[in-house]
Amino acid sequence: ETGVTQTPRHLVMGMTNKKSLKCEQHLGHNAMYWYKQSAKKPLELMFVYSLEERVENNSVPSRFSPECPNSSHLFLHLHTLQPEDSALYLCASSQGTADSFSSYNSPLHFGNGTRLTVT
Amino acid sequence: QKEVEQNSGPLSVPEGAIASLNCTYSDRGSQSFFWYRQYSGKSPELIMSIYSNGDKEDGRFTAQLNKASQYVSLLIRDSQPSDSATYLCAVNGRYSGAGSYQLTFGKGTKLSVIP
Repeated sequence: ETGVTQTPRHLVMGMTNKKSLKCEQHLGHNAMYWYKQSAKKPLELMFVYSLEERVENNSVPSRFSPECPNSSHLFLHLHTLQPEDSALYLCASSQGTADSFSSYNSPLHFGNGTRLTVT
Repeated sequence: QKEVEQNSGPLSVPEGAIASLNCTYSDRGSQSFFWYRQYSGKSPELIMSIYSNGDKEDGRFTAQLNKASQYVSLLIRDSQPSDSATYLCAVNGRYSGAGSYQLTFGKGTKLSVIP
C-alpha cells in the first residue's frame, strides 16, 4: 500500500463520544500534519509533527488531542466535540523536518480525509 | 494578518479554452508556492510547484510567479471537463504566530469547464 491512508472515511459521533482518527503514511516522510477543512473556509493547519515531535499547534481546542507514536502513524483523538467541529479532517505528510525552512519547499501529500459529523 | 487570497469563483470556461487562476499572498518572505486540485468530496492533490520568478510548464499546466507583485497564477490550456474542480493555492511563509514556517492555503477557486 502506498501514499497516505486515513481511517475511517466517515464518522458520525455525538458530543459526548470519544473517537480517534488514524493516519498512516508509506512515503518515508519525516513530517505529518492534521488539517481541518470546513465549508467556504481555507484549509486550517491544526498540528504538525516532525520526527515524531510536535512542532506546531495552532491554538487548537483541547478537545482535539494528537498522537504520533512513530514517523509513519498519526492519530487525532476526539472528545466532547461541538457541532461546529463537523468538517473534513485531512492528514498529510511531507519530506524534511517541519521546523526548518527547507521543509516547506516540500509539497504535502494528503490522505483521503475523514468526513466528521458531530450531532 | 498574513493571508493567501484567491477569487472563490466559480470560474466558468468553455471546453478547449484557457483557464486562468490567480492568487496573491502577503508574506514577502515566502519562497515556495504550490497549486493543488481538489475534486468535490476528495482530498487535495498536488499539480504544480514553483519556487522562482517566471513560468513553469508541465503539460497543459503553466504556473507563473512574480515575487515583486506577490502574485502566483495557474494557467490551464485546452481546458477539459475533467479539469472542473476547486484549485487551491498554497504558499509557505511565516504565517503562524510562533514564527515558524507553515504552508498556508487560500480558500480555493472553483473552476467549471463547460462542454
